[in-house]
Amino acid sequence: NAGVTQTPKFQVLKTGQSMTLQCAQDMNHEYMSWYRQDPGMGLRLIHYSVGAGITDQGEVPNGYNVSRSTTEDFPLRLLSAAPSQTSVYFCASQDGGNQPQHFGDGTRLSIL
Amino acid sequence: ELKVEQNPLFLSMQEGKNYTIYCNYSTTSDRLYWYRQDPGKSLESLFVLLSNGAVKQEGRLMASLDTKARLSTLHITAAVHDLSATYFCAVDGFSRNTPLVFGKGTRLSVIA
Repeated sequence: NAGVTQTPKFQVLKTGQSMTLQCAQDMNHEYMSWYRQDPGMGLRLIHYSVGAGITDQGEVPNGYNVSRSTTEDFPLRLLSAAPSQTSVYFCASQDGGNQPQHFGDGTRLSIL
Repeated sequence: ELKVEQNPLFLSMQEGKNYTIYCNYSTTSDRLYWYRQDPGKSLESLFVLLSNGAVKQEGRLMASLDTKARLSTLHITAAVHDLSATYFCAVDGFSRNTPLVFGKGTRLSVIA
């Protein structure tokens, strides 16, 4: 059972570079989301999607783009990396109804 | 805007003692989730609470929900070292498409 798969697990970027964090789930979940986790801040929602073709902004969307062309995939794009985007990024998916979110293992991203 | 507040944020407790973590939220919701996170790891679902008065128990952990008081508690009974982790509560907004909002987490350290 793969669940939610995030790649890469670690990444170091230089300021101004762009990259895409991949997230895939094999549970046919409608709902997917991206969070960032910073010390003392808990998890903050970046973007989320309630189904293929539908995305919306969360609490901290600036500097990030998402798309949802398929149910399985929900990539997160950093357009021009900044040191403030150094964080651990988690992707999660959720079935409809009252089920908990399933989290990926996270991507640890450092921006120099 | 839904806000979720946990307290305490840090908790050091002796093995064998009991303690309670509190999760308050600001707007109507009847879905609340508790997660556990070990250092450097992802989030693991502990409990899903779906109605007023709901109580769930697993081992030394018991969670409850009072929707009228907008309060959930996570009670730890006779703590053991293995319970050392960070515990998050997360609340669903009233409508289906409202994302989860997480508290900042409670870092629990159980010492001998």
